Amino acid sequence: EPEVTQTPSHQVTQMGQEVILRCVPISNHLYFYWYRQILGQKVEFLVSFYNNEISEKSEIFDDQFSVERPDGSNFTLKIRSTKLEDSAMYFCASRGLALAFGEGSWLTVV
Amino acid sequence: GENVEQHPSTLSVQEGDSAVIKCTYSDSASNYFPWYKQELGKRPQLIIDIRSNVGEKKDQRIAVTLNKTAKHFSLHITETQPEDSAVYFCAASHETSYDKVIFGPGTSLSVIP
Repeated sequence: EPEVTQTPSHQVTQMGQEVILRCVPISNHLYFYWYRQILGQKVEFLVSFYNNEISEKSEIFDDQFSVERPDGSNFTLKIRSTKLEDSAMYFCASRGLALAFGEGSWLTVV
Repeated sequence: GENVEQHPSTLSVQEGDSAVIKCTYSDSASNYFPWYKQELGKRPQLIIDIRSNVGEKKDQRIAVTLNKTAKHFSLHITETQPEDSAVYFCAASHETSYDKVIFGPGTSLSVIP
């Protein structure tokens, strides 16, 4: 069964540094998402992406965040200048009939 | 925007008993309600979903019910097993493929052997 894949699985970065999280959605899905989950909390919507542009974004997704689909397979989330409160698990997802999540990228900002 | 509430936040049951988790949603236009199970350190996995044209759906030991008038939906797990222990999230969305899925705060289920 096809799956969403994400890299890296874990990244530690210093506050103020840029981070890029990468995702390969399921190949026949057209709608892509990033979600965030702070440890022990709920899964929060960040952004949705379709046809090479953002469809919707949440209040969390401020100017420090950006997404890109640089080629036919990858979907990236960039955090330009990380803050301590950006420490979380970041899930990429793509949607066919249902939303399918990747394994997540655990970001630790120190 | 959509807001999904969920209770209880924690639930502990004896193996073999049933577990019920209840959710409410705010946006009357939502018409797709998935449930996800998340084991510790893992990704959320879809376990069952229901669309607004039906009131109940069952898959082996799990069932979901939906009351669109009251904007309530529930997950029922019967004959619980230790491997059912996880965090369960309800969610709501419009069924159009591009619409975001909004999650409830989660229920931590513990099944005691």
